[in-house]
Amino acid sequence: GNSVTQMEGPVTLSEEAFLTINCTYTATGYPSLFWYVQYPGEGLQLLLKATKADDKGSNKGFEATYRKETTSFHLEKGSVQVSDSAVYFCALSGRNTGGFKTIFGAGTRLFVKA
Amino acid sequence: NAGVTQTPKFRILKIGQSMTLQCAQDMNHNYMYWYRQDPGMGLKLIYYSVGAGITDKGEVPNGYNVSRSTTEYFPLRLELAAPSQTSVYFCASSWTSGGAGTGELFFGEGSRLTVL
Repeated sequence: GNSVTQMEGPVTLSEEAFLTINCTYTATGYPSLFWYVQYPGEGLQLLLKATKADDKGSNKGFEATYRKETTSFHLEKGSVQVSDSAVYFCALSGRNTGGFKTIFGAGTRLFVKA
Repeated sequence: NAGVTQTPKFRILKIGQSMTLQCAQDMNHNYMYWYRQDPGMGLKLIYYSVGAGITDKGEVPNGYNVSRSTTEYFPLRLELAAPSQTSVYFCASSWTSGGAGTGELFFGEGSRLTVL
């Protein structure tokens, strides 16, 4: 079945440090891949997505590339800010009987220190 | 644009009580979902709906019921609340059309439920 594995947190970084959060997936067919972000006390919101192999999703300085050969979708940002402190979820979505379902990883909490 | 609206935001229940979590979306999305989020865990799908009148079970449906009489509303019913149902519940919606849909989800702000 489909599954998503992402690195455990928490991850603690200083402001302006480089961020990588690893995500690998198992899926049949060609799913779409997503990163969602959850700020404290809020629901999840889409950060970026990629719908086919070699696509790069980007938003707010974050990037992730859909790597089918390594089944990975690692999240990166060159210089993090305190405001990036949140929980980040890697997810995939593929058509199953009855419609699309989204499978989430466990989430990685990021703390950025000033 | 309100997006996905959930009520209530917080609720405390006693064991054995029942309640309904409300969810409404104004984006004319055809798919709607209910997830629960436990501390340190990812989201688990409880139920989902692909359109009015059609619902299906997700990973953790036991102890819950749903209905979808209209496109806009997708309430989640908890019968005989148990401490194991203490969690944060998220309603979400998406637009999916044949092979073109990418399954992007739009979430409500969540409903924190405590069962004592």
